[in-house]
Amino acid sequence: EVQLVESGGGLVQPGGSLRVSCAVSGFSFSNYWMSWVRQAPGKGLEWVANIKEDGSENYYADSVRGRFTISRDNAKNSLFLQMNSLRVEDTALYYCARGGGSSWSPGHFDYWGQGTLVTVSS
Amino acid sequence: EIILTQSPATLSVSPGERATLSCRASRNVSNNLAWYQQKPGRPPRLLISAASTRATGIPARFSGSGSETEFTLTISGLQSDDSAVYYCQQYNYWPPNTFGQGTALEIK
Repeated sequence: EVQLVESGGGLVQPGGSLRVSCAVSGFSFSNYWMSWVRQAPGKGLEWVANIKEDGSENYYADSVRGRFTISRDNAKNSLFLQMNSLRVEDTALYYCARGGGSSWSPGHFDYWGQGTLVTVSS
Repeated sequence: EIILTQSPATLSVSPGERATLSCRASRNVSNNLAWYQQKPGRPPRLLISAASTRATGIPARFSGSGSETEFTLTISGLQSDDSAVYYCQQYNYWPPNTFGQGTALEIK
């Protein structure tokens, strides 16, 4: 059974940092693109970042580029999102998602975690 | 950046009837479009990829159609459990992997 379990969310002050993680099981993690997608309270879905199977490529939304870093540890079946210089508008539920596409594109997202809540507030 | 516009924003349909949800892309995205269902307090669930391919375990009541800039998600034989917000997402031109703003479906 495919499982994605996020952790590490919490309350942080504006300008602060936080690292969220996603532990996966039930599939060969190193064979898939992975992504982070967030959802602000009561709002729609916003793609945040993608990372290629071997970590050699990553891509970011304009809203987080330069502040967030996506990474992965294939030996530990884990995905990470390091978030720096956090802003109030970064408050959201952060989902990790598996890419359902080919080796050159994450494509659609075929499995999602339950999400971890990040709240940025003073 | 590709803009996806979903319509209507909200839809109220009776049980047993059919719901038709639309997603329009600002540029030709070929058939690289997915549909997701999200219920309150739950993560999104993939329904359809490649515009018309149902994901594993998705009943045949859910069907996707369209190509290029116009796409439709049709849900037939509506059940109360189908109440949710439905999102489209394109993956032809990325990054960014854009989502539509969602259609809230109510089963009245």
